[in-house]
Amino acid sequence: EAQVTQNPRYLITVTGKKLTVTCSQNMNHEYMSWYRQDPGLGLRQIYYSMNVEVTDKGDVPEGYKVSRKEKRNFPLILESPSPNQTSLYFCASSFIGLTSGSDEQYFGPGTRLTVT
Amino acid sequence: GIQVEQSPPDLILQEGANSTLRCNFSDSVNNLQWFHQNPWGQLINLFYIPSGTKQNGRLSATTVATERYSLLYISSSQTTDSGVYFCAVPNAGGTSYGKLTFGQGTILTVHP
Repeated sequence: EAQVTQNPRYLITVTGKKLTVTCSQNMNHEYMSWYRQDPGLGLRQIYYSMNVEVTDKGDVPEGYKVSRKEKRNFPLILESPSPNQTSLYFCASSFIGLTSGSDEQYFGPGTRLTVT
Repeated sequence: GIQVEQSPPDLILQEGANSTLRCNFSDSVNNLQWFHQNPWGQLINLFYIPSGTKQNGRLSATTVATERYSLLYISSSQTTDSGVYFCAVPNAGGTSYGKLTFGQGTILTVHP
């Protein structure tokens, strides 16, 4: 089954304790990205990646890191989480469109993060 | 950047009713997607519809790219249709992929 998976789905942690949210897709997509969703602010892009070893900042990158060492994986790293990073996080992926003709984006199931 | 507006912001229906949700966007786009965010927070792909009309069961969507709007039709609504409906378009300056700009959503509540 074609899908985007994220782990963990729920996480409660404390300020300053490093954490990683994993994202994996099995569709051979080049493009992957991370969003956060907050009430009243909608979905905002954190980081994106066009392919292996190619990453760039989105609209709200502060406090986050990413890496793209394999095409299928795009982990989100919070080196020192703070309460303002409490949010619902989504990973997404798609083809770039030049190769497959369809750039429909698929989203993971979301990760609810609470930082106390 | 591109602006995306959805209407109505809230919609309350009795089970079995039909509804139309609208999405207006401010610039030309090469694709448009509709999503349903269910009560558990998951974003479910409904339609990828750059233009024309598509149907999937009780749901259908139409995008008129030249007039910069898209419509999502829900027929014979069910309680499981409740949630938030988003439309989203890429904000990548003429490319058809990249960061999606989401509308603010339509909150649909279907009562039994």
